[in-house]
Amino acid sequence: DGGITQSPKYLFRKEGQNVTLSCEQNLNHDAMYWYRQDPGQGLRLIYYSQIVNDFQKGDIAEGYSVSREKKESFPLTVTSAQKNPTAFYLCASSTRSDIANPTYEQYFGPGTRLTVT
Amino acid sequence: AQKITQTQPGMFVQEKEAVTLDCTYDTSDQSYGLFWYKQPSSGEMIFLIYQGSYDEQNATEGRYSLNFQKARKSANLVISASQLGDSAMYFCAMRELRNTNAGKSTFGDGTTLTVKP
Repeated sequence: DGGITQSPKYLFRKEGQNVTLSCEQNLNHDAMYWYRQDPGQGLRLIYYSQIVNDFQKGDIAEGYSVSREKKESFPLTVTSAQKNPTAFYLCASSTRSDIANPTYEQYFGPGTRLTVT
Repeated sequence: AQKITQTQPGMFVQEKEAVTLDCTYDTSDQSYGLFWYKQPSSGEMIFLIYQGSYDEQNATEGRYSLNFQKARKSANLVISASQLGDSAMYFCAMRELRNTNAGKSTFGDGTTLTVKP
């Protein structure tokens, strides 16, 4: 079945440790995204990538890093520089959007709940 | 910078009645896409409906329709014949389509809808 997988579902880390969240998709999508969601809040864009080997900062990129070496994979590293990393992290993918191809919705993974103590 | 505003933190509706969830947006771009997503308590994100900035007709998908008023920069979601399973958080989102920011997405803070039996 095609879809997006995020692992693990729950992740616990000690303060000061870097942690990498996995996101894999087999939908053959060019574009991938990382969002952060705090309780009762909306989604905030961390990083996005429209194509392999290229990515752009979103609205809250500080303290995070990403790589896009393969089309299927877009891992997110939460570094120790992120002041408040405890949150729900959602990965998404879509067909690449531009003016010629505007309509493509994002497909979301099940999310990873990160708790840092 | 683009911004999405959802002014209703919570809404109640009686089963089988229609409900409108408000969404206003702010952008200087002429080309953009507007999306609505549903997030049940499980955390998954479900795509509901899309409206392009150049679409002249309001989008419809089953019980969902989008009341798009471009001059007022509003994209309200209308759910007809509400069902108990519609109880969830609903997010309005916008995606830029210009080359420099193509693919960048912004979400509102969401509206929690509760359907009463």
